[in-house]
Amino acid sequence: SQQGEEDPQALSIQEGENATMNCSYKTSINNLQWYRQNSGRGLVHLILIRSNEREKHSGRLRVTLDTSKKSSSLLITASRAADTASYFCATLPMEYGNKLVFGAGTILRVKS
Amino acid sequence: KAGVTQTPRYLIKTRGQQVTLSCSPISGHRSVSWYQQTPGQGLQFLFEYFSETQRNKGNFPGRFSGRQFSNSRSEMNVSTLELGDSALYLCASSLVAGGSSEQFFGPGTRLTVL
Repeated sequence: SQQGEEDPQALSIQEGENATMNCSYKTSINNLQWYRQNSGRGLVHLILIRSNEREKHSGRLRVTLDTSKKSSSLLITASRAADTASYFCATLPMEYGNKLVFGAGTILRVKS
Repeated sequence: KAGVTQTPRYLIKTRGQQVTLSCSPISGHRSVSWYQQTPGQGLQFLFEYFSETQRNKGNFPGRFSGRQFSNSRSEMNVSTLELGDSALYLCASSLVAGGSSEQFFGPGTRLTVL
């Protein structure tokens, strides 16, 4: 079963706009990671945020983590057509024997 | 550094056959994890190997097996293929085991079972 649930399932925006994706999970976690996947290819790691961290930045990416609400968000600012991809959150639950569990993903389309 | 490589990239098999997929991790990485990705089930963890030992296993039948060699290269094998095994199989390598660090993914092997 999937631990993380992304919201929305799909998002379509214009180039230059910001994109926000959310991830909710069910059990306590050690860390949460965001990955990007372009059209059925391998995943690319974006950001890892640990359970004792609240916010991390990497370039145009900003990730927040709220462990009390068991949720995370990924913000992509000033989006580009090249950001078009599927975005997955992956959690490392404390009780699942150190297995990374992926959500269903958000499909982001950035129109130029 | 060279990235994670997977061979073959595409594979077509028929029901009942078996298949072996190969993964070469990034140099220095001792952890290799395998995932199955399908439109219906999404990304599901198969197993993880670290220093030639299976450390974790997902909820897949015994037809799915794997191993890791002393050079950290890993193979996974699926025996008695079923139509539902059609999927993108991804391997990922990392420095440490257990998902506590970023995973570097290969391009995947797309398996089609007819």
